[in-house]
Amino acid sequence: AQTVTQSQPEMSVQEAETVTLSCTYDTSESDYYLFWYKQPPSRQMILVIRQEAYKQQNATENRFSVNFQKAAKSFSLKISDSQLGDAAMYFCAYRSPAGGSEKLVFGKGTKLTVNP
Amino acid sequence: DSGVTQTPKHLITATGQRVTLRCSPRSGDLSVYWYQQSLDQGLQFLIQYYNGEERAKGNILERFSAQQFPDLHSELNLSSLELGDSALYFCASSVGRKTSGNTIYFGEGSWLTVV
Repeated sequence: AQTVTQSQPEMSVQEAETVTLSCTYDTSESDYYLFWYKQPPSRQMILVIRQEAYKQQNATENRFSVNFQKAAKSFSLKISDSQLGDAAMYFCAYRSPAGGSEKLVFGKGTKLTVNP
Repeated sequence: DSGVTQTPKHLITATGQRVTLRCSPRSGDLSVYWYQQSLDQGLQFLIQYYNGEERAKGNILERFSAQQFPDLHSELNLSSLELGDSALYFCASSVGRKTSGNTIYFGEGSWLTVV
């Protein structure tokens, strides 16, 4: 079974600075999908970014980018120019390829605090 | 707004009771997922339906059941409730066709408190 590990229960960053959240996963599959979800205090789960394992290019979405290292099974999230609204729990998630189990497997989350 | 609608948003009920949580997926999405988020267990996958049929089952208790109706909305039934069932229950949906990597979108969740 696939597992996702987020080794940083909490992180903090100064407003306008850059922070990187770590995520590692374990799988025997060669093709899969990785996601970062944000959960603000409202508790809604908001998709931040996704990465297809077959793509070598790292995904980017505005201030959010990932460092995907397939061989190392690492999928970190970099937030540039951090804003107060970025404060939230961040969850890394793994999804099997199409045709397999489509469920998301989540890490335990990293709580990000943004200091003004 | 993800387009996934869940009702009720908050629910308080007593131990031993039964509740039903309802979910309407995004327009066009065929797959519905249920997740439970509790403080000690994190985000746990419960069950998935695709176009009315059960597709995958996770850590769902026997006291819990779900179904997806012809109009694609889904209900999660929780019975013989215990204090430990208090959690945030998410519904999520995706297109779910056998094309790759359909993103899963989450509703705002239903807060269940068992007292």
